[in-house]
Amino acid sequence: ETGVTQTPRHLVMGMTNKKSLKCEQHLGHNAMYWYKQSAKKPLELMFVYNFKEQTENNSVPSRFSPECPNSSHLFLHLHTLQPEDSALYLCASSQEGAGLEAFFGQGTRLTVV
Amino acid sequence: AQKITQTQPGMFVQEKEAVTLDCTYDTSDPSYGLFWYKQPSSGEMIFLIYQGSYDQQNATEGRYSLNFQKARKSANLVISASQLGDSAMYFCAMRRSSGGSYIPTFGRGTSLIVHP
Repeated sequence: ETGVTQTPRHLVMGMTNKKSLKCEQHLGHNAMYWYKQSAKKPLELMFVYNFKEQTENNSVPSRFSPECPNSSHLFLHLHTLQPEDSALYLCASSQEGAGLEAFFGQGTRLTVV
Repeated sequence: AQKITQTQPGMFVQEKEAVTLDCTYDTSDPSYGLFWYKQPSSGEMIFLIYQGSYDQQNATEGRYSLNFQKARKSANLVISASQLGDSAMYFCAMRRSSGGSYIPTFGRGTSLIVHP
């Protein structure tokens, strides 16, 4: 099993749909993150979970709803998205205390039509 | 607030030559960590190298080395003997502390193209 796995890899959804992105890490880490990467923009941190508790929410619109049921799984629930939400969504995890590098999944490329 | 600046949107290098990707940072924290990541077209962010602010020596990992100049607040990535597979986006990142977490904050990235 690879370190951080994201599913699906690609997703096309209409503006009225509801979908979820899934992230799973097999590294025993206790912190997980969602980032958004749009074309021509730097990576934007969306949410941070530390020991399953949300510790950061960077003014993300409510149409994005995160869920962290345990330290190994992170979800991003999507509903009534806009075309400008089309982007690469990256999940990452790290081990707090060690404080070293974050490990990333391969991302979900989302297109909103 | 912490900030990472990468001023080179794109760089070109001939295969087998060395290339330097620039990164400057700004922080008021006395202790911090700096990272470089590679992002190929597949999308995954791949960790390359780490430098701690108190490390006495510049970090090296195979063909990657980090030219850390603390007084100038720069952490440039040097790739020696470039290979075609090095063509990718490269991101400089800094670890910042927030609410008990250490969160990577990224620069805008530099696109590297290696020519045969």
